[in-house]
Amino acid sequence: SYVLTQPPSVSVAPGETARITCEGNNIGTKSVHWYQQKPGQAPVLVIYSNNDRPSGIPERFSGSNSGNTATLTINRVEAGDEADYYCHVWDSSSEHHVFGGGTKLTVL
Amino acid sequence: EVQLTESGGGLVQPGGSLRLSCAASGFTFSHYNLDWVRQAPGKGLEWVSYINSRSDTIYYADSVKGRFTISRDNAKNSLYLQMHSLRDEDTAVYYCARDGGMAGVMDVWGQGTTVTVSS
Repeated sequence: SYVLTQPPSVSVAPGETARITCEGNNIGTKSVHWYQQKPGQAPVLVIYSNNDRPSGIPERFSGSNSGNTATLTINRVEAGDEADYYCHVWDSSSEHHVFGGGTKLTVL
Repeated sequence: EVQLTESGGGLVQPGGSLRLSCAASGFTFSHYNLDWVRQAPGKGLEWVSYINSRSDTIYYADSVKGRFTISRDNAKNSLYLQMHSLRDEDTAVYYCARDGGMAGVMDVWGQGTTVTVSS
């Protein structure tokens, strides 16, 4: 089955840039989606189809996807960005949705 | 407002059964594919099941196949998850999510309902 690997944690100071990676075999051939989840809340879509933002998501959030790594980039990080972030793909081979293990973003 | 609202969670003994519901509003329910996703305490997101708009394509995660059944009633704008032979490891918050149509993106999520399997 297809596996997505994320770092367990990323720390960044306010105003800096956070980069959260999601590794998978030839993930560059898939569409990757990213979700933000704050404690006690449901996930919220922040990036879809690699690099598109839903309405209401700040331009500070962007995504990229190539080779074996997809990346969620958050520019000018704010305290309110502190959350868990999950990458997600649809694996057509197994006909399964697959989530990464999640990355806890800490704003120092 | 586009909204999904889950219900039906609770405490159940191992081996027991439970039926979750998800009520939709604010969009044309019958046009969308839907998913159930769960999250065990302190753990990450785990996809559970998928159903397309016409209920003629259904998928399950290996961990629940043969024990869980997904269904929907487009006339009632409702999604369901029938769970049998529940195990301790099925303890989780269960979310329903709308498939936004682009490579399986889940663009709308409910607030979740908690299932606890314990004796």
